[in-house]
Amino acid sequence: AQSVAQPEDQVNVAEGNPLTVKCTYSVSGNPYLFWYVQYPNRGLQFLLKYITGDNLVKGSYGFEAEFNKSQTSFHLKKPSALVSDSALYFCAVRYLISSGSARQLTFGSGTQLTVLP
Amino acid sequence: GAGVSQSPSNKVTEKGKDVELRCDPISGHTALYWYRQSLGQGLEFLIYFQGNSAPDKSGLPSDRFSAERTGGSVSTLTIQRTQQEDSAVYLCASSRRTGVYNSPLHFGNGTRLTVT
Repeated sequence: AQSVAQPEDQVNVAEGNPLTVKCTYSVSGNPYLFWYVQYPNRGLQFLLKYITGDNLVKGSYGFEAEFNKSQTSFHLKKPSALVSDSALYFCAVRYLISSGSARQLTFGSGTQLTVLP
Repeated sequence: GAGVSQSPSNKVTEKGKDVELRCDPISGHTALYWYRQSLGQGLEFLIYFQGNSAPDKSGLPSDRFSAERTGGSVSTLTIQRTQQEDSAVYLCASSRRTGVYNSPLHFGNGTRLTVT
């Protein structure tokens, strides 16, 4: 099965502390991995992506993510959390569908991040 | 510039009625996706359009759901004989290309559908 998992429904962290939001995937072939953020009553916004190259990718708002092939993970990180980072975060993976005609984007179930002042 | 526009933003309908949800993608974007977001369920893929190719309908949950994309631009998602379990936020997204697989999706703010 090809899937992406976010094992934590909720992550709480104090402002100024580092944060990690976990994501693991299971796909055939090479994955293309993405993180999106959803603020209340808003659509999803793209944060960052891993396609190839350096395992550590940097994205918007000071976020970064590390691709770990051996652990099939793509955890989202930020060195110092802000209250304004509180939102719903989704990990997503593209994979080759059986017809080979396109890759679909499959999303995890989301992790609610709350940064406490 | 203009983003992905969805209408209506909210829709309340009675069980058994048909509804149409509209999506205006970003101009020039060839790929268009519909997703459904239910409370605590994450995002569920529904359907995908890419240019003039046949759409990927593999995510549609039943034959009550259908979608079309006219002229490679505006898309309409239709739900016939709505059921209470159809209540969710329906999100539309578009991207420049999917051939190179690395174009991020641009999402609209969604249509919140409530079936009473």
